[in-house]
Amino acid sequence: GENVEQHPSTLSVQEGDSAVIKCTYSDSASNYFPWYKQELGKRPQLIIDIRSNVGEKKDQRIAVTLNKTAKHFSLHITETQPEDSAVYFCAASRMDSSYKLIFGSGTRLLVRP
Amino acid sequence: SAVISQKPSRDICQRGTSLTIQCQVDSQVTMMFWYRQQPGQSLTLIATANQGSEATYESGFVIDKFPISRPNLTFSTLTVSNMSPEDSSIYLCSVLGTKGTNEKLFFGSGTQLSVL
Repeated sequence: GENVEQHPSTLSVQEGDSAVIKCTYSDSASNYFPWYKQELGKRPQLIIDIRSNVGEKKDQRIAVTLNKTAKHFSLHITETQPEDSAVYFCAASRMDSSYKLIFGSGTRLLVRP
Repeated sequence: SAVISQKPSRDICQRGTSLTIQCQVDSQVTMMFWYRQQPGQSLTLIATANQGSEATYESGFVIDKFPISRPNLTFSTLTVSNMSPEDSSIYLCSVLGTKGTNEKLFFGSGTQLSVL
């Protein structure tokens, strides 16, 4: 069935360094790849997304890249800050049919001051 | 983007009882979903709530355990029936909304359920 794998499960970086989280999806019909940030006790918040017709998207310190051939997509956070500490989830979806989100297992990011 | 209100925000329930969770959106939305997030885990789709018809359940979830209603395009309920401690989770509704010209999926604030 449809599956999304996410790595690493935990990531600890020094403030100011970059963080990279990687995901792989199995459903070649997926065409939408959002990233959610979830702080403790709060709902998942959409931070950035990318559709299959582009290879890269950037929003300030956050960027996402997509390799459709390899079925890989990655989240890049530059100049990390302590408030970036949270759990990050990648997901894949078919936004022209089911709209269901298949989530990765999550990455706990800790930014050390 | 749509404002999604979910209630209750949390509840502690006895095993064998049922709890109904409500999800209200401030605008009409075409798609509504219910997810479960077990402690320390990722999100798993329970079902797609279909307006005016039976929900579409994912593998491992059944209507008798998780009955869902969606009477209109702004409201849905999820009931967790005959609860056991294994049902302790966060339950989240999600809607397909728009931001600018693009469709995106947003989440309600969640219901933290603890079953004793």
